[in-house]
Amino acid sequence: EAGVAQSPRYKIIEKRQSVAFWCNPISGHATLYWYQQILGQGPKLLIQFQNNGVVDDSQLPKDRFSAERLKGVDSTLKIQPAKLEDSAVYLCASSLDSGFTDTQYFGPGTRLTVL
Amino acid sequence: AQSVTQLGSHVSVSEGALVLLRCNYSSSVPPYLFWYVQYPNQGLQLLLKYTSAATLVKGINGFEAEFKKSETSFHLTKPSAHMSDAAEYFCAVGPNGNEKLTFGTGTRLTIIP
Repeated sequence: EAGVAQSPRYKIIEKRQSVAFWCNPISGHATLYWYQQILGQGPKLLIQFQNNGVVDDSQLPKDRFSAERLKGVDSTLKIQPAKLEDSAVYLCASSLDSGFTDTQYFGPGTRLTVL
Repeated sequence: AQSVTQLGSHVSVSEGALVLLRCNYSSSVPPYLFWYVQYPNQGLQLLLKYTSAATLVKGINGFEAEFKKSETSFHLTKPSAHMSDAAEYFCAVGPNGNEKLTFGTGTRLTIIP
């Protein structure tokens, strides 16, 4: 089966610019996650969707980050305006459901560099 | 809050030697524990997971991990390292209740020819 797709793979922007990332989860997966992975750290959950509803966005910097999942399939994560500290890899993951033991499948990530 | 600690941000082993990557967890409820591997420029791939069944868990690529409640540990091992094992390895705990899937800071494994 096809895995989680993300685009673009790399993005370089200047601070105060805006940027958007796209994710297409595995077909049939109800739950979608966006993680931020800063160099030298483990991934940190930004937002979790169950179908097209938000389950958890407690760690999303809502003054500059936004995300949506239209029709419960694809999702976009937007940063506006970007700061230097937003430089990171943004990982999208999906799982069949949101159960405790459901395996999360990760995409290849988008590496964002903010200059 | 739950957390994991990975001891050693970098580990080097010779090809054919034992691989041992250490992970200790903290959780107020019986934990679900995971090991993920991340190859350069790729996303994370699940190696194995513990979900309160057998304490010795076998995963892909010859890796296994043993859940030890008394030591709050979930160390990852492989009897004989291959060059293809060079990657970054993440231990994670959860999700459980209101807790998210929480990752450690990772251990970069280097294989010496």
